[in-house]
Amino acid sequence: KAGVTQTPRYLIKTRGQQVTLSCSPISGHRSVSWYQQTPGQGLQFLFEYFSETQRNKGNFPGRFSGRQFSNSRSEMNVSTLELGDSALYLCASRYRGARGEKLFFGSGTQLSVL
Amino acid sequence: AQRVTQPEKLLSVFKGAPVELKCNYSYSGSPELFWYVQYSRQRLQLLLRHISRESIKGFTADLNKGETSFHLKKPFAQEEDSAMYYCALSGGTGNQFYFGTGTSLTVIP
Repeated sequence: KAGVTQTPRYLIKTRGQQVTLSCSPISGHRSVSWYQQTPGQGLQFLFEYFSETQRNKGNFPGRFSGRQFSNSRSEMNVSTLELGDSALYLCASRYRGARGEKLFFGSGTQLSVL
Repeated sequence: AQRVTQPEKLLSVFKGAPVELKCNYSYSGSPELFWYVQYSRQRLQLLLRHISRESIKGFTADLNKGETSFHLKKPFAQEEDSAMYYCALSGGTGNQFYFGTGTSLTVIP
């Protein structure tokens, strides 16, 4: 099976712009979650979608939003970009097997806000 | 409040020395605990989870409910163990994952 795919790999934007990131989970996985990774803060949870519904939400401002489509692909949108939004954005698909839960991560989208 | 704490941002050990990466958590319930690892230029990936009592690449972690800890240990560190390690917990299906801030491990040859 193909792994979790994130596009684009790199993005450069300026303050005030908006951006959309895409994530395709592993085939058959219905849960997609998004994380912001920075050197100082580690991994911070943004939100999780399951079967097109937001199931969990982290403590990020409303400028961060997401959605999930019927094929389980997910998009994350950030409006009115700020310098502090520069980070690696990771998405993960989630699966529970016989040996417990597991997150499968994508390679991430590196967002730079100038 | 749910929280995962990794007190060490950086940890350096010599090759062949024992290594222990600390993780403490707070959670109102029975969480599942995990260690994820990110090697240089690779994706973040699962290293081990307490529920399956695994030993992966010589690493083990024991869940201590009394001390609410899930420390990662390896008796003899190898250079290829150099990576960023994240401790995480989940409240189970339907509940979100919580990650610590990570510990960067460097094994000195």
